Amino acid sequence: AQTVTQSQPEMSVQEAETVTLSCTYDTSESDYYLFWYKQPPSRQMILVIRQEAYKQQNATENRFSVNFQKAAKSFSLKISDSQLGDAAMYFCAYRSDLYGGATNKLIFGTGTLLAVQP
Amino acid sequence: DSGVTQTPKHLITATGQRVTLRCSPRSGDLSVYWYQQSLDQGLQFLIQYYNGEERAKGNILERFSAQQFPDLHSELNLSSLELGDSALYFCASSVEGAYTDTQYFGPGTRLTVL
Repeated sequence: AQTVTQSQPEMSVQEAETVTLSCTYDTSESDYYLFWYKQPPSRQMILVIRQEAYKQQNATENRFSVNFQKAAKSFSLKISDSQLGDAAMYFCAYRSDLYGGATNKLIFGTGTLLAVQP
Repeated sequence: DSGVTQTPKHLITATGQRVTLRCSPRSGDLSVYWYQQSLDQGLQFLIQYYNGEERAKGNILERFSAQQFPDLHSELNLSSLELGDSALYFCASSVEGAYTDTQYFGPGTRLTVL
């Protein structure tokens, strides 16, 4: 079974600085998708970024980028120029690249709570 | 705003009771997923529906059931509620429920069982 591990329960960053959140996963599959979701105090789950495992190029969305290391099964999220609105819980998630069945489900890590200091 | 709506936002009830949570997917999305977020279990997949049919089951208790209606909205029914069922219940939707899809989450329903 696949597992997702986020080893940093809490992180803190100064406004305008850069922070990296770590995520590792375990799978025997070769094709899959990885995601970072943000959960602000409102509790809404917001998609931040998505990475297809077959793509070597790291995904980027504005100030958010990932460092995807397939061999190491590592998927870290880098937030540049941190803003107060980035303060939230961040979840790493895995989904198999197999059609049908329970493989469409997202498997989540335990989350990293990010605080942004003004 | 993801386009997924959930009602009610908050629900407070007593042990042994039954509640129904409702979800309306994004326009055009055929697949609905239900997840539970609790302090001790984290975020867990419960069940998925695609175009009215159950597609996949996760760690869903027998006391819980769900359905998806012809208009594609979905309901999650929780019965014989226990204190441990207190959690945030999310609905997510995607276009087809295929592996290529991205799931977009609703705002959640916070259930408190007293």
